[in-house]
Amino acid sequence: KAGVTQTPRYLIKTRGQQVTLSCSPISGHRSVSWYQQTPGQGLQFLFEYFSETQRNKGNFPGRFSGRQFSNSRSEMNVSTLELGDSALYLCASSYSTGGGYGYTFGSGTRLTVV
Amino acid sequence: DAKTTQPNSMESNEEEPVHLPCNHSTISGTDYIHWYRQLPSQGPEYVIHGLTSNVNNRMASLAIAEDRKSSTLILHRATLRDAAVYYCILIRRDGGSQGNLIFGKGTKLSVKP
Repeated sequence: KAGVTQTPRYLIKTRGQQVTLSCSPISGHRSVSWYQQTPGQGLQFLFEYFSETQRNKGNFPGRFSGRQFSNSRSEMNVSTLELGDSALYLCASSYSTGGGYGYTFGSGTRLTVV
Repeated sequence: DAKTTQPNSMESNEEEPVHLPCNHSTISGTDYIHWYRQLPSQGPEYVIHGLTSNVNNRMASLAIAEDRKSSTLILHRATLRDAAVYYCILIRRDGGSQGNLIFGKGTKLSVKP
């Protein structure tokens, strides 16, 4: 079966712009979570959606937002980009929320802010 | 949040077994133990997870201590492709505020030919 698909794979944006990243989970998976990975901070949780509802949010500013659609596809948006937002953004999907099921990660979107 | 402690790095020889330890002394009764690994330039990959009993799958085995305060990921025959950072993570059964994956620094496994 198809894995988690993230688009685009690479993105270059200018400071002050906004960006939208997309994540298509594995068919049947209803939980989608987002992570930011940087060399300095490692992997950090952004937010999790389950059945179109945000269940959890990490410690990121309000410039980072997301949503989930009825088909479980998810988008995350970053407004007013800063240089420090340059990172690998990863999406993970799971059949359900909680620890009973494993999470499958996509290959990520590499965002560079210049 | 229940935390985990792992060694920063470990080395193994190819085709030998590898035992990656993880301490989680503050684990609660509803926490699942998950293991993920991240190969260079890739997203994390699910390896295995368990609650109380030992678990086996095609990738690895998970040995969970009787008191659940520690666990060990076992790679039965290490290959060069197993060189990665391995993360041990606790996730509460019902998700909620603990539903996300909290990644620590993990253990960087090097495999020598």
